[in-house]
Amino acid sequence: GAGVSQSPSNKVTEKGKDVELRCDPISGHTALYWYRQSLGQGLEFLIYFQGNSAPDKSGLPSDRFSAERTGGSVSTLTIQRTQQEDSAVYLCASTDRFSSGATSNEQFFGPGTRLTVL
Amino acid sequence: AQSVAQPEDQVNVAEGNPLTVKCTYSVSGNPYLFWYVQYPNRGLQFLLKYITGDNLVKGSYGFEAEFNKSQTSFHLKKPSALVSDSALYFCAVRVQPGGGNKLTFGTGTQLKVEL
Repeated sequence: GAGVSQSPSNKVTEKGKDVELRCDPISGHTALYWYRQSLGQGLEFLIYFQGNSAPDKSGLPSDRFSAERTGGSVSTLTIQRTQQEDSAVYLCASTDRFSSGATSNEQFFGPGTRLTVL
Repeated sequence: AQSVAQPEDQVNVAEGNPLTVKCTYSVSGNPYLFWYVQYPNRGLQFLLKYITGDNLVKGSYGFEAEFNKSQTSFHLKKPSALVSDSALYFCAVRVQPGGGNKLTFGTGTQLKVEL
């Protein structure tokens, strides 16, 4: 089956513009995550959606960042008034039903969107 | 708070030699530990995970990792490296219970396997 897909694969924008990044998770996966990968800084958690629960936004770096997940599937990460420090690769991941028991499901990652803010 | 440390930015090894990529963690609970690999211009691919049970975990592409609770480590190993193993490797931890399944990643280790 299809994996996690993200679009666009590359985005170049000017400082101050708004951008939208899209993630299509694996069909049937109830949990969706956004991470940011900056050069030399590993992956930074941004936001997490699980089913109909309120999202965990604890990783969003500022109020310029927001995300939505419509219909429990596709998600859009929006960055308003982009800054040069927003340049990074934005990765989306999904996993199937979150388990609070003895198992933990691995996350499946998309190829990422490389954002460059000039 | 949970954290992961990958002390080596880069590891170089000759093809055919054993490789080790180090990872240590810090959590206040039971850790779930993961290794992911990232090839150039690709997303992360899952390699293996430790949840509970046997401390030696076997994963994809001949990789394995050993959970050591006393040393809070989860080093990635492979008995015989291949040039095609050259990639960026990430260790990650999640705490159970709680944690919401979000992962905390290390900063990554670049593995370079040479002929």
